[in-house]
Amino acid sequence: GAGVSQSPSNKVTEKGKDVELRCDPISGHTALYWYRQSLGQGLEFLIYFQGNSAPDKSGLPSDRFSAERTGGSVSTLTIQRTQQEDSAVYLCASSLVPVQGQETQYFGPGTRLLVL
Amino acid sequence: QKEVEQNSGPLSVPEGAIASLNCTYSDRVSQSFFWYRQYSGKSPELIMSIYSNGDKEDGRFTAQLNKASQYVSLLIRDSQPSDSATYLCAVQGDSSYKLIFGSGTRLLVRP
Repeated sequence: GAGVSQSPSNKVTEKGKDVELRCDPISGHTALYWYRQSLGQGLEFLIYFQGNSAPDKSGLPSDRFSAERTGGSVSTLTIQRTQQEDSAVYLCASSLVPVQGQETQYFGPGTRLLVL
Repeated sequence: QKEVEQNSGPLSVPEGAIASLNCTYSDRVSQSFFWYRQYSGKSPELIMSIYSNGDKEDGRFTAQLNKASQYVSLLIRDSQPSDSATYLCAVQGDSSYKLIFGSGTRLLVRP
């Protein structure tokens, strides 16, 4: 079976432009997460979706960041008016169910975003 | 104070030696603990998960958890050059499903 897929793999944009990053989770996984990883740093949580519940947006760094998950599957992370500090690798992960022992998060290959 | 702390390294060990990676966390109610391996330019992959105090072994890897001292460690026996990577410690609380990651320890295994 396919793993988590993300697109694009690389994105170069100009400061002030909007970007959309896509994540396709593992089929059947109900939980979906977005993280970002700046150069040489650990992963920073951004947002979490679980089924039809309201998402946990507590990690979004500003109101320029938003995400949605349509039909409980594919998710899109949108960054409006990009800034140079938004440059990072954006990683998506999915897990089967949020139950201890089954909550292992599997990561996609990431989208490398560079804001010039 | 960071929520999850790791020594950034690099930790350099000779091939065949035991590599010991450590992690401390600040949230006492944390319930689930994970070690991910991340090769340069790649995404993290799960190595071990541990939920209870004590040791958990899987092949050459042993995870150790001490909730009273709030630390979790990963031992890699018979280290191989292919183990050279950054090892990320991640912690999950009891009321949140997000993972809090440390900044990672870079391991170098010398042939």
